[in-house]
Amino acid sequence: EDQVTQSPEALRLQEGESSSLNCSYTVSGLRGLFWYRQDPGKGPEFLFTLYSAGEEKEKERLKATLTKKESFLHITAPKPEDSATYLCAAIFGNEKLTFGTGTRLTIIP
Amino acid sequence: DAGVTQSPTHLIKTRGQHVTLRCSPISGHKSVSWYQQVLGQGPQFIFQYYEKEERGRGNFPDRFSARQFPNYSSELNVNALLLGDSALYLCASSVQGKDQPQHFGDGTRLSIL
Repeated sequence: EDQVTQSPEALRLQEGESSSLNCSYTVSGLRGLFWYRQDPGKGPEFLFTLYSAGEEKEKERLKATLTKKESFLHITAPKPEDSATYLCAAIFGNEKLTFGTGTRLTIIP
Repeated sequence: DAGVTQSPTHLIKTRGQHVTLRCSPISGHKSVSWYQQVLGQGPQFIFQYYEKEERGRGNFPDRFSARQFPNYSSELNVNALLLGDSALYLCASSVQGKDQPQHFGDGTRLSIL
């Protein structure tokens, strides 16, 4: 069964302290890897799509990268407003979007 | 521009009842998908529709059904509600589905008593 695994489950950082979130996936048949941000009581907000190993996308303090086995979401000099749950999702051959359980990120002022 | 809109935002039902949730996609988007999200978990895929045809179905019982209308809006129906159906139900739209990014609404919070 296609699987997406995220780590860590939760991460607390001081404001300005850079770090990375990990998303690993079943290797066979990846067709697209997606990152979302979800705030409490809201739906997931689309951040990035990655389609092939080596691809990188960047937006403000966030940068997403993709290898053949995993994806990373790098957060540079985060601010308190970056606090949220970050979800990784993948589409495999069956065209169903499969989500990980998310990383709950807290940025402390 | 309007994003994905869902109604109602909150709903309380009792066991055994039936519920209908509604979704309007982003203008120009022809594919709609439904997800169930339980607290602390990622969304779980229920259905995907494209041009009014069912394109995919997740591992949910037959009590769950959906349809898409000619204007691309969609309904999710759940019969014989169980306590375990309590969750946030999310709708997402994309231009054509498949490998394209999906954009989510803020969901309907369904509570079963």
